[in-house]
Amino acid sequence: NAGVMQNPRHLVRRRGQEARLRCSPMKGHSHVYWYRQLPEEGLKFMVYLQKENIIDESGMPKERFSAEFPKEGPSILRIQQVVRGDSAAYFCASSPEFGFYGYTFGSGTRLTVV
Amino acid sequence: QQQVKQSPQSLIVQKGGISIINCAYENTAFDYFPWYQQFPGKGPALLIAIRPDVSEKKEGRFTISFNKSAKQFSLHIMDSQPGDSATYFCAAPDRGSTLGRLYFGRGTQLTVWP
Repeated sequence: NAGVMQNPRHLVRRRGQEARLRCSPMKGHSHVYWYRQLPEEGLKFMVYLQKENIIDESGMPKERFSAEFPKEGPSILRIQQVVRGDSAAYFCASSPEFGFYGYTFGSGTRLTVV
Repeated sequence: QQQVKQSPQSLIVQKGGISIINCAYENTAFDYFPWYQQFPGKGPALLIAIRPDVSEKKEGRFTISFNKSAKQFSLHIMDSQPGDSATYFCAAPDRGSTLGRLYFGRGTQLTVWP
């Protein structure tokens, strides 16, 4: 069991570029959650997706951020026109069913905007 | 608004000592309280969790104490070891419209000196 796979592990983007973060959930998990972790802070919820559906995106910034979880392939968190304030660690978690039981996190993507 | 308040921010303990981390919450609808352990460069991993119908849960050297009336819960690490040095997060789930969202405390960076 490979666990939750996130790539890339580290991503450097210049201001104004696009960042694409990928997350492959654990085998058998159909629920995906994205969190952002800023230095010295806990994780903040961004979005909750199921296959082909966004269930809750109330934690996503209104502009430049989007997420998808297609029928085939990994979940993608997309940040357009990145700014310095987007620099953070982005974590994906997956679970086999509704809720937080069996919540498993990936190792994260560290985004640095220069 | 911080749904879960965690203290201290950092903690230094001698090997063999007891590490204690505290969390407080406001929302009485919270009904599941997990603790996560995070090593540098890794994602959070579930350490131990408790439901409010019990006052204490022990797993090995790790114990959660829960005080429902005070709306507080704490993590105790007995016989702390250098390998326990990590960041610890308490969390509680959102029982509102999103069943999968977790609210995290800001984290406690634990250092255990040999």
